[in-house]
Amino acid sequence: DIQMTQSPSTLSASVGDRVTITCRASQSISSWLAWYQQKPGKAPKLLIYKASSLESGVPSRFSGSGSGTEFTLTISSLQPDDFATYYCQQYNGWTFGQGTKVEIK
Amino acid sequence: EVQLVESGGGLVKPGGSLRLSCAASGFTFSSYSMNWVRQAPGKGLEWVSSISSSSSYIYYADSVKGRFTISRDNAKNSLYLQMNSLRAEDTAVYYCAREGIAAAVPFDYWGQGTLVTVSS
Repeated sequence: DIQMTQSPSTLSASVGDRVTITCRASQSISSWLAWYQQKPGKAPKLLIYKASSLESGVPSRFSGSGSGTEFTLTISSLQPDDFATYYCQQYNGWTFGQGTKVEIK
Repeated sequence: EVQLVESGGGLVKPGGSLRLSCAASGFTFSSYSMNWVRQAPGKGLEWVSSISSSSSYIYYADSVKGRFTISRDNAKNSLYLQMNSLRAEDTAVYYCAREGIAAAVPFDYWGQGTLVTVSS
């Protein structure tokens, strides 16, 4: 089974900061990776699919990159609405990373 | 508007059974693969099971294989999860999620979730 590892587990940042979250796969997954945002008590929301494609309606400050085993989610300028937990997910067996909580510094 | 509404959660004793339902609307349900994903309290997301549009392909996580059964009724626009031999570690919010119609799009719509608590 493919394992997904995110880092960091928690990230403290301020409004306006550039934020980067990393996701590593235990074996190559090409570009078959998605990113989700989840707020407390809510369902996850798809942000990025196929590593770098922005889901419709998602602000352009979110971007994804990477291929093979290493991927990143970048928020170019953190907004108050972005404080949440972010998960990566690979497509072969739908494994999720353990999550990265972005909290207010 | 795409809507997924789960129901059927509740409190059940270890070893018991529960059937979850997910009512879909706002899209052609019969054209989409569907999934169940769960989240234990304070924990991350765990994929549970997938079913293809015509029920031809069904997959389960190892943690539920042999105990859970996914099914769908396209005439009723409904997805189901039959959960048997429930354990304390099955306690979680269970979400149904639609798989995008294109191969590149994963879970593009999610329900609000239903809580399953397994406890004596």
